Amino acid sequence: AQSVAQPEDQVNVAEGNPLTVKCTYSVSGNPYLFWYVQYPNRGLQFLLKYITGDNLVKGSYGFEAEFNKSQTSFHLKKPSALVSDSALYFCAVRDSSASKIIFGSGTRLSIRP
Amino acid sequence: DAGVIQSPRHEVTEMGQEVTLRCKPISGHDYLFWYRQTMMRGLELLIYFNNNVPIDDSGMPEDRFSAKMPNASFSTLKIQPSEPRDSAVYFCASSRGAGSYEQYFGPGTRLTVT
Repeated sequence: AQSVAQPEDQVNVAEGNPLTVKCTYSVSGNPYLFWYVQYPNRGLQFLLKYITGDNLVKGSYGFEAEFNKSQTSFHLKKPSALVSDSALYFCAVRDSSASKIIFGSGTRLSIRP
Repeated sequence: DAGVIQSPRHEVTEMGQEVTLRCKPISGHDYLFWYRQTMMRGLELLIYFNNNVPIDDSGMPEDRFSAKMPNASFSTLKIQPSEPRDSAVYFCASSRGAGSYEQYFGPGTRLTVT
């Protein structure tokens, strides 16, 4: 069975500092991993995904994520946070043999000026 | 591309009334998903379709909920009768395929049942 965990409900970072939002997963086959962002009163918006290949994936708005197979993790990172990055972030996983994506519980990222 | 379109954006109804939520997926996408989001339960997958056929409805809460996809460009989620605990934001999403394809979400319908 597929599962995904986001261990932090909230992450607080000062503007200009690096940020990390954590995600771990469990699948029986090869994982497809995704990050989505949700701004207030909006739908989820795709940020980036890992399918295969390079373990470091680059996405929208300067975000990147690192796939670590041995630790079954896919943490979201950004070198320098902006106040406008404040939002709810969801990690998601899909087993290569499955059709539906499993979403994590979400992490609220708050960037203070 | 207009993206996924949902209507209405807001719905306020009284307990016992029928509610119908509508979704138009992105043209060419063959998967359509219905989600529900609440503070308590987070994001829940209710049902999804492939080529207009329901594939997995195990997330539908109970018989009061039903979903249809009569053609590739339209889907409905119906609640009859509605109850206060159905209050949530309902999202529709579509994708070009399964596997590595990402989903594109609509803006959601905020449902309030009084």
